[in-house]
Amino acid sequence: KAGVTQTPRYLIKTRGQQVTLSCSPISGHRSVSWYQQTPGQGLQFLFEYFSETQRNKGNFPGRFSGRQFSNSRSEMNVSTLELGDSALYLCASSQDRVKETQYFGPGTRLLVL
Amino acid sequence: KQEVTQIPAALSVPEGENLVLNCSFTDSAIYNLQWFRQDPGKGLTSLLLIQSSQREQTSGRLNASLDKSSGRSTLYIAASQPGDSATYLCAVISGGSYIPTFGRGTSLIVHP
Repeated sequence: KAGVTQTPRYLIKTRGQQVTLSCSPISGHRSVSWYQQTPGQGLQFLFEYFSETQRNKGNFPGRFSGRQFSNSRSEMNVSTLELGDSALYLCASSQDRVKETQYFGPGTRLLVL
Repeated sequence: KQEVTQIPAALSVPEGENLVLNCSFTDSAIYNLQWFRQDPGKGLTSLLLIQSSQREQTSGRLNASLDKSSGRSTLYIAASQPGDSATYLCAVISGGSYIPTFGRGTSLIVHP
């Protein structure tokens, strides 16, 4: 079974730009969650999508948004990038995030200049 | 607001030692607790998931315990190996909100 894939793996953007990250979950998994990892704040939950609906959301500004498609693939968008958005963005999929094990992708490393 | 603390922040041990990593949380109303490992620059790998009704889980050389009343979990690693070198993170899913909160991790180095 193929694992969770994320594209792109590395990205460099400038302040004010927007960025879209993509995540393809393990086949059969309907839950996709996004996380931000930084040296300062550690690993923080952004949001979760389940069957195309946002089910939970962490404490992040509205510049961070996402969506999920009918094939469970998910995208995360960050608008008006700030320097502090530089981070490793991780995606995880599961049958059910709360009850079952989550499987993480390798992450997208975003650098905002 | 749930807060998760992991002690120690870093650990360096010789191969073969038995280890205990600690995770504490402030709000005992949790749904479950999960232990992960993260290798440098990579995503997380799930190690053990303990539901709130359980006291421990075991997988190979790993054993995790959960004491909700005291807000603590421990990850026990038996007979450590160099391949165990990684950062170990614990995550708590709070009951009600189902929002996961992660600790900052314990960075483990096992030297031959």
